[in-house]
Amino acid sequence: ETGVTQTPRHLVMGMTNKKSLKCEQHLGHNAMYWYKQSAKKPLELMFVYNFKEQTENNSVPSRFSPECPNSSHLFLHLHTLQPEDSALYLCASSQGAGLGQGWYNEQFFGPGTRLTVL
Amino acid sequence: DQQVKQNSPSLSVQEGRISILNCDYTNSMFDYFLWYKKYPAEGPTFLISISSIKDKNEDGRFTVFLNKSAEHLSLHIVPSQPGDSAVYFCAASAESGGGADGLTFGKGTHLIIQP
Repeated sequence: ETGVTQTPRHLVMGMTNKKSLKCEQHLGHNAMYWYKQSAKKPLELMFVYNFKEQTENNSVPSRFSPECPNSSHLFLHLHTLQPEDSALYLCASSQGAGLGQGWYNEQFFGPGTRLTVL
Repeated sequence: DQQVKQNSPSLSVQEGRISILNCDYTNSMFDYFLWYKKYPAEGPTFLISISSIKDKNEDGRFTVFLNKSAEHLSLHIVPSQPGDSAVYFCAASAESGGGADGLTFGKGTHLIIQP
């Protein structure tokens, strides 16, 4: 596998279900991101992890819970979602860097998970 | 309020001609700008980027121009090819996250290359 992979590609769930989205990057990057794209809206940043530490939570409701066990894997745990949470969820990774070491913010995206909440 | 705006939802260009996609931003803290291309059922693919210390960056058929005073950037594709038909997203970031900064995206422009 190369690049950024996401599973599942499609997910349909009820409002009481618990499910998880998985992202894996094979690029040796240190930073990983979750974005949400709703219909007719721009991609919206949800979470940022840099060297496995969460560095940004963009006011995301607690029914979305991220997990980053290592620099290659990122999960998004979902529980008691609402129909308006139906969207395309995209994972991305970038080289990342510590302060003072320069930075490269070209982010590489996975294909996304199309989520439908009934 | 949107900080990155792409005011043209779609653009139709004849094959072989120049395609010009525009993007405006309103956050003076943005110092790095990127263009992505997206095909249906795929994630965005990075195309080209530019730092705020430059006003032009070129990569093959793709050139990005940055006008900081006008808070405007544009992507030029020349010559346009049928495979360039896709949605193009403008994105911006500010160096605040120690090397990992979320991107702020525009809504995208659907480029259609006519044969």
